[in-house]
Amino acid sequence: GAGVSQSPSNKVTEKGKDVELRCDPISGHTALYWYRQSLGQGLEFLIYFQGNSAPDKSGLPSDRFSAERTGGSVSTLTIQRTQQEDSAVYLCASSRQGTGYEQYFGPGTRLTVT
Amino acid sequence: GESVGLHLPTLSVQEGDNSIINCAYSNSASDYFIWYKQESGKGPQFIIDIRSNMDKRQGQRVTVLLNKTVKHLSLQIAATQPGDSAVYFCAEISGNQFYFGTGTSLTVIP
Repeated sequence: GAGVSQSPSNKVTEKGKDVELRCDPISGHTALYWYRQSLGQGLEFLIYFQGNSAPDKSGLPSDRFSAERTGGSVSTLTIQRTQQEDSAVYLCASSRQGTGYEQYFGPGTRLTVT
Repeated sequence: GESVGLHLPTLSVQEGDNSIINCAYSNSASDYFIWYKQESGKGPQFIIDIRSNMDKRQGQRVTVLLNKTVKHLSLQIAATQPGDSAVYFCAEISGNQFYFGTGTSLTVIP
């Protein structure tokens, strides 16, 4: 079956612009996660959606970052007024249920802020 | 805050040998651990997991060992193959929080 997909695969934007990154999880997966992977760094947890529960936003680095998940499926990560330090690969993952279940990762979106 | 670290950033092994990748964690309350494999240009791929009430779990060619006394996690890959070349991450899960190490780059020498 189809895996997790993300779009765009690459995004180059100017400092100060807003960007939207999209994630399509595996159909039927109730949990969705966003992570950030900077060059040479481990994965950094950003936000976690589980079903209709309020998302766990504790990993979002600043109020410029926000995420939505519409209809319990597609998710959009929005970064407002991008900064150069936002440059990273943004990874989305989904799992059948909540934490404690195998996560399937998408290929990521490489964001470059110039 | 929590930290998940790896003892070695790189590891080279001969094809056919066994590989051991190590990971240290700091949160004794973490209840779940995962190993991921990430090939160049791809997202991480789940390899194997282990819950904190277990010491060992085996999969296909892989074994994860958990030593809660010293807060140490290891991934053993048997008969390492060229396709095993990748970066391997350990992850520590506590509640809804995931903490990942920076990764160990495994290179398999044919």
